[in-house]
Amino acid sequence: SQQGEEDPQALSIQEGENATMNCSYKTSINNLQWYRQNSGRGLVHLILIRSNEREKHSGRLRVTLDTSKKSSSLLITASRAADTASYFCASLGAQKLVFGQGTRLTINP
Amino acid sequence: GAVVSQHPSWVICKSGTSVKIECRSLDFQATTMFWYRQFPKQSLMLMATSNEGSKATYEQGVEKDKFLINHASLTLSTLTVTSAHPEDSSFYICSAGRVTGELFFGEGSRLTVL
Repeated sequence: SQQGEEDPQALSIQEGENATMNCSYKTSINNLQWYRQNSGRGLVHLILIRSNEREKHSGRLRVTLDTSKKSSSLLITASRAADTASYFCASLGAQKLVFGQGTRLTINP
Repeated sequence: GAVVSQHPSWVICKSGTSVKIECRSLDFQATTMFWYRQFPKQSLMLMATSNEGSKATYEQGVEKDKFLINHASLTLSTLTVTSAHPEDSSFYICSAGRVTGELFFGEGSRLTVL
């Protein structure tokens, strides 16, 4: 399978709590990206972390990358109902962007 | 930011017909375009990579005679689903890449084959 793994597959939390999603990939990468997708819509690029970076922040988002374990995590702090969506990691290697299986995040008001 | 346009955004067709989906980069020249397929509640599966002026590279298990990809210019790639069947019903998404390596995604095209 070309895809990496993401966990959890589904996550439901209360508004205001933090949400953490994890992703693993299979091959060497140039960078790893996180995307968000609302139901039935296209992808929104959230953040990109390069292979030589270990952590990156953007607003309420924090991404980590561990190339030795071929894994990454996305933390969304102080979650809001509008954060409800599916989140995908995507690893860029060999000129191809390969997506993880995604985490469906539900924020309960 | 850069914009990638897909058309049509949704299409319904009869089994056996062919459907063409267009992917355009509106404000930049895309050296590479990627086509993905997404089934309900699943992730995006890369179908093929197309480079302007050359043949597309298909992923394992994707029938190149079934899914015809043409990347005739630096701003346009098309995916034609030939002799579509109900199992081809899916959400098709393209992405276009700049020389800098940035990728931009279209809004997707939902195909329903009756």
